[in-house]
Amino acid sequence: AQKITQTQPGMFVQEKEAVTLDCTYDTSDPSYGLFWYKQPSSGEMIFLIYQGSYDQQNATEGRYSLNFQKARKSANLVISASQLGDSAMYFCAMRDLDPGGGADGLTFGKGTHLIIQP
Amino acid sequence: AAGVIQSPRHLIKEKRETATLKCYPIPRHDTVYWYQQGPGQDPQFLISFYEKMQSDKGSIPDRFSAQQFSDYHSELNMSSLELGDSALYFCASSLRDQTQYFGPGTRLLVL
Repeated sequence: AQKITQTQPGMFVQEKEAVTLDCTYDTSDPSYGLFWYKQPSSGEMIFLIYQGSYDQQNATEGRYSLNFQKARKSANLVISASQLGDSAMYFCAMRDLDPGGGADGLTFGKGTHLIIQP
Repeated sequence: AAGVIQSPRHLIKEKRETATLKCYPIPRHDTVYWYQQGPGQDPQFLISFYEKMQSDKGSIPDRFSAQQFSDYHSELNMSSLELGDSALYFCASSLRDQTQYFGPGTRLLVL
């Protein structure tokens, strides 16, 4: 079974500062994918960034980067130069990467509510 | 770019009624997933379909069923609705086992 732990229920950050959202995971699968999604108050679920367990380099997408430490089973999201529009719920999620390519569902963490203050 | 389309966006039902939620995946995506998100909760995976066949099953109640049609759209059928079924229901789509992109969700309220 897979498990995602997000230990920060809420965070307040000043605008323009960098912010790190913590995520640790547990799985017995050797091949897996890690994802971060953003959910604004409007409710939609927006994909941010992906990291595969065998990827050699940390993933980056614009202002988002993923600090992947496989030995520690952590996949922290780093947002650089935070903006007011970054205020939202952030979910870390994972799924195993079956060699057969099955369409497995995602396992989500409880989320971190990030509030950017002006 | 085209996104996942879900209908209806809002639905109000009485207890013991039935509901059907529809999902139209991103063009060329062959896989759809259904998730349920209760108030203040994280999304819970219900079921997925690849090429019209059920692929993975999560915590979907026996009262719920789903299918994927030849045009790849999917429907989630919910019967004997309970108050606890009130939630945001997401459909997501992907190209096989690639990144899942979520639709805007259907807010279901059971009275």
